[in-house]
Amino acid sequence: ELKVEQNPLFLSMQEGKNYTIYCNYSTTSDRLYWYRQDPGKSLESLFVLLSNGAVKQEGRLMASLDTKARLSTLHITAAVHDLSATYFCAVDEGSNFGNEKLTFGTGTRLTIIP
Amino acid sequence: NAGVTQTPKFQVLKTGQSMTLQCAQDMNHNSMYWYRQDPGMGLRLIYYSASEGTTDKGEVPNGYNVSRLNKREFSLRLESAAPSQTSVYFCASTQRTGPVWGQRSNQPQHFGDGTRLSIL
Repeated sequence: ELKVEQNPLFLSMQEGKNYTIYCNYSTTSDRLYWYRQDPGKSLESLFVLLSNGAVKQEGRLMASLDTKARLSTLHITAAVHDLSATYFCAVDEGSNFGNEKLTFGTGTRLTIIP
Repeated sequence: NAGVTQTPKFQVLKTGQSMTLQCAQDMNHNSMYWYRQDPGMGLRLIYYSASEGTTDKGEVPNGYNVSRLNKREFSLRLESAAPSQTSVYFCASTQRTGPVWGQRSNQPQHFGDGTRLSIL
């Protein structure tokens, strides 16, 4: 059974600082997704990481995937208040083509303090 | 762009009542999913439909049934609601295969706005 663990679960950081959220998973997978969820809202796709060594960047967020270590990171650079949200990683547990059944981590609630 | 539409947005039920949550997508996706989200937890897969005409159990299927009515619509039914089913329910869809047969898709799942369900 695939297990996905995120840490930290809660993160409070000051504006302008850098930090990293970690996502570890227990079985072989080469596909990982990052989502953002604002309170009371739906999930918004941030990044799709499709292979070992994949790196994606959007604004102040950068995500990477190391399939050998079964680890993905979401790095926040010079945080701003608008980045306050809960961030989820999700791992594709399917080994066949096109199987997009995901297992989600428990989420990291990020609060940016002015 | 409508994307994934869920109805209703809020519902309160009494224990033992039944109800159906509706989900429709207009992106011509072949795969659809139902998740539940409980406080402090990630999303857990209830059922999914990899393509029209097929459905499969996810991690927490007990107490639920699903119907893939057509390519656009995927409904979730609670036959006899229990307080443990109080949750936020999300429907999602994705295009499961790439443009070439056998090619894996690089698309994420797209989520609806959720149904907040309380069972008393």
